[in-house]
Amino acid sequence: RKEVEQDPGPFNVPEGATVAFNCTYSNSASQSFFWYRQDCRKEPKLLMSVYSSGNEDGRFTAQLNRASQYISLLIRDSKLSDSATYLCVVNNRAAYKYIFGTGTRLKVLA
Amino acid sequence: DAGITQSPRHKVTETGTPVTLRCHQTENHRYMYWYRQDPGHGLRLIHYSYGVKDTDKGEVSDGYSVSRSKTEDFLLTLESATSSQTSVYFCAISESRTAAKNIQYFGAGTRLSVL
Repeated sequence: RKEVEQDPGPFNVPEGATVAFNCTYSNSASQSFFWYRQDCRKEPKLLMSVYSSGNEDGRFTAQLNRASQYISLLIRDSKLSDSATYLCVVNNRAAYKYIFGTGTRLKVLA
Repeated sequence: DAGITQSPRHKVTETGTPVTLRCHQTENHRYMYWYRQDPGHGLRLIHYSYGVKDTDKGEVSDGYSVSRSKTEDFLLTLESATSSQTSVYFCAISESRTAAKNIQYFGAGTRLSVL
């Protein structure tokens, strides 16, 4: 079993739709959680950190469920520019270890 | 954007030749990382550094070595390149281990082809 698992997609959604991704992690000692966005042939860029209480940044909402060991990303009012691959990243700070999921691909259709 | 420069951005080389990739940062961050990204895999850590001359292995370190003689530079060397090392290589930096500052920032990547 992979340490961090994501549905690879693609998720094809129309503009304006709401879409949600989940990511599960296996190490209960994980301490920090992130969502990164990666455009084709580009570097990953931080979208948002994920806090225990959940957090929101504009159209994006991230949630953490420690009991079930998953994090989620909700995108409201999808834009064409949201088309990208979304990477789930989990960190166990004690080991300097960032574990990356393989990503979920989103295509927002006009 | 974080000040991270990777060089070269693209390289084609032959099997058996040594290759060095460079990562240069202007953020004065303590931690630096080298990853490779391949289809079907998440980014996988090759080596990381937690200070000048302080480095350690990641999960896919075989065939790679690193050096960090200055805070701003982290070099990745493929001692004798093989076709399995054809990949996209990303350098990353982070400031601290504390929760507020352990965000990683990435360079633009180096596309390496080993023929």
